Amino acid sequence: DTEVTQTPKHLVMGMTNKKSLKCEQHMGHRAMYWYKQKAKKPPELMFVYSYEKLSINESVPSRFSPECPNSSLLNLHLHALQPEDSALYLCASSQFMNTEAFFGQGTRLTVV
Amino acid sequence: AQSVTQLDSHVSVSEGTPVLLRCNYSSSYSPSLFWYVQHPNKGLQLLLKYTSAATLVKGINGFEAEFKKSETSFHLTKPSAHMSDAAEYFCVVTQREAGGYNKLIFGAGTRLAVHP
Repeated sequence: DTEVTQTPKHLVMGMTNKKSLKCEQHMGHRAMYWYKQKAKKPPELMFVYSYEKLSINESVPSRFSPECPNSSLLNLHLHALQPEDSALYLCASSQFMNTEAFFGQGTRLTVV
Repeated sequence: AQSVTQLDSHVSVSEGTPVLLRCNYSSSYSPSLFWYVQHPNKGLQLLLKYTSAATLVKGINGFEAEFKKSETSFHLTKPSAHMSDAAEYFCVVTQREAGGYNKLIFGAGTRLAVHP
């Protein structure tokens, strides 16, 4: 099973809402990532979890809060977002160095 | 630090003709290189990878790429384009991080259009 599953596929939220994005993988990967992708741009790294510990926060605003409950799950909690946060949010996982990352299908987030 | 340059932002071909998407990289050590494809409103799918084995790498859907260290290039080719190949293509190099994971360094992307 070489699949990363993201839910929901689409999300519309108001600026005062709290919502969560979920990501799951069962490949035994120990690194998991959140990326943000704006239209016609490459993905931008937001967070990296390595062995369930937050290893990298790429200066992401605190209105985005990641969580890694176990080695298979990764969440992204959203609160008080701005319209400019509207984007495709991608989750990915990888084994160790020099191995490929597998991406989920993404969550299309619209902030109104 | 690693970096990737995709030399063409847009490539347009006719169905049945060859595809060439160009990628140059910069790396301070022997890199791992990947090509990913992204269809509209979809996630990224791995096409192929180079990890210091054979320099000619074959991928899915008839794509292949050749690693040329002397030219620091990793161009993606396909002998005959299909309409379903129309998508965004990203060349990616990995950057080793101390935390035991790869940081992916993306090129800006090349949009491939395929015309009947």
